[in-house]
Amino acid sequence: QSALTQPASVSGSPGQSITISCTGTSSDVGIYNLVSWYQQPPGKAPKLIIYEVTKRPSGVSNRFSGSKSGNTASLTISGLQAEDEADYFCHSYAGSSTVGVFGGGTKLTVL
Amino acid sequence: EVQLVQSGAEVKKPGESLKISCKGSGYSFTNYWIGWVRQMPGKGLEWMGIIYPGDSHTRYSPSFQGQVTISADKSISTAYLQWSSLKASDTAMYYCARHRPHYYGSGSYFDYWGQGTLVPVSS
Repeated sequence: QSALTQPASVSGSPGQSITISCTGTSSDVGIYNLVSWYQQPPGKAPKLIIYEVTKRPSGVSNRFSGSKSGNTASLTISGLQAEDEADYFCHSYAGSSTVGVFGGGTKLTVL
Repeated sequence: EVQLVQSGAEVKKPGESLKISCKGSGYSFTNYWIGWVRQMPGKGLEWMGIIYPGDSHTRYSPSFQGQVTISADKSISTAYLQWSSLKASDTAMYYCARHRPHYYGSGSYFDYWGQGTLVPVSS
């Protein structure tokens, strides 16, 4: 089972919006609305920020939003802040034989 | 408050055995799956396996089947990840995380994470 495809890096200036893509296949992202996103600041543990494509856990800023079209899911961060600088990973359910598959991760740099 | 607290860093040599732990609190430990996730230096996340502490039912990723053993002691709300013979390639940060499984079109995510246990393996 191959990892989901994410860009290695994205960057943006404070106040701007950025979007991180996560491309899978018709066996994972394309068929299930079960994509989640995780934020991992440098040297820290991952934190859930989006689940089931568009839902935000309690306490997560509404500057984070998720969407999906076909085999590609996306994470959008609006009003970029310096504290958003982190690695971001997507994850998708991929059928009953597995817990799922992660993306390779995207490093967000806030300029 | 849900918390997962992992055991501390362990420096090991190839061939040695190791068991690291993950203690849950702030929720009913027996009723939620716990997963283990590997992150090799500078790399992404890989799920290794999950366990349901209520009955110790376990599922492994094919990549880790036979390489590690996942267990749990529900009496002390603790899950474990162990190796019988470490290799240098096992050098990584290991995270435990509470897993919400797929259930009727919802779920399939890790909602709370431990702080990680660093395992350097070097001769």
